[in-house]
Amino acid sequence: GESVGLHLPTLSVQEGDNSIINCAYSNSASDYFIWYKQESGKGPQFIIDIRSNMDKRQGQRVTVLLNKTVKHLSLQIAATQPGDSAVYFCAENMNTGFQKLVFGTGTRLLVSP
Amino acid sequence: GAVVSQHPSWVICKSGTSVKIECRSLDFQATTMFWYRQFPKKSLMLMATSNEGSKATYEQGVEKDKFLINHASLTLSTLTVTSAHPEDSSFYICSALRELSYNEQFFGPGTRLTVL
Repeated sequence: GESVGLHLPTLSVQEGDNSIINCAYSNSASDYFIWYKQESGKGPQFIIDIRSNMDKRQGQRVTVLLNKTVKHLSLQIAATQPGDSAVYFCAENMNTGFQKLVFGTGTRLLVSP
Repeated sequence: GAVVSQHPSWVICKSGTSVKIECRSLDFQATTMFWYRQFPKKSLMLMATSNEGSKATYEQGVEKDKFLINHASLTLSTLTVTSAHPEDSSFYICSALRELSYNEQFFGPGTRLTVL
């Protein structure tokens, strides 16, 4: 079936380092991808998105890269801070017309001071 | 803008009782809302799509008689867990779809349900 998965369940970094979180997706028809941050006991928080007609998009300290050839998505966080510690999910829009999102398994980012 | 609230934020109930969770879009109207379930250290799993003025669309494996969804207005959807059992204990999250130049889902803060 269609799925979105992540390579690393936990990523530990030092404060100030750059973090890269990866995601693989399997539905080549998906046209929209989003990265969410979820802190413990809270709902997902939008970080950045990218459409399938782009391969890179930058925000404040974050960059999303999309490689449609290998169906790979990554989130880069520059100068990682302790406040970035959370679980990060990628999600893909299945392009079914109903705006359904399929979430990946998640990566926990731990930032040490 | 684009704030979504949920009420209650947590609830504890006894087995066999029913629990209603509300999802509200506070500053925009949402024809479509979504209900997700999340187990500890797991990802979000879509349960159903809630459509204002019509029946909800349930994902495969989700019991519609168990999880009743009502989307009676453009700012409110409710999820009722009927005859709750301990295995229904979970984190329930809703999202509301804001339809602008392109659609975007905004998530609520979640409701922690514990069934004793």
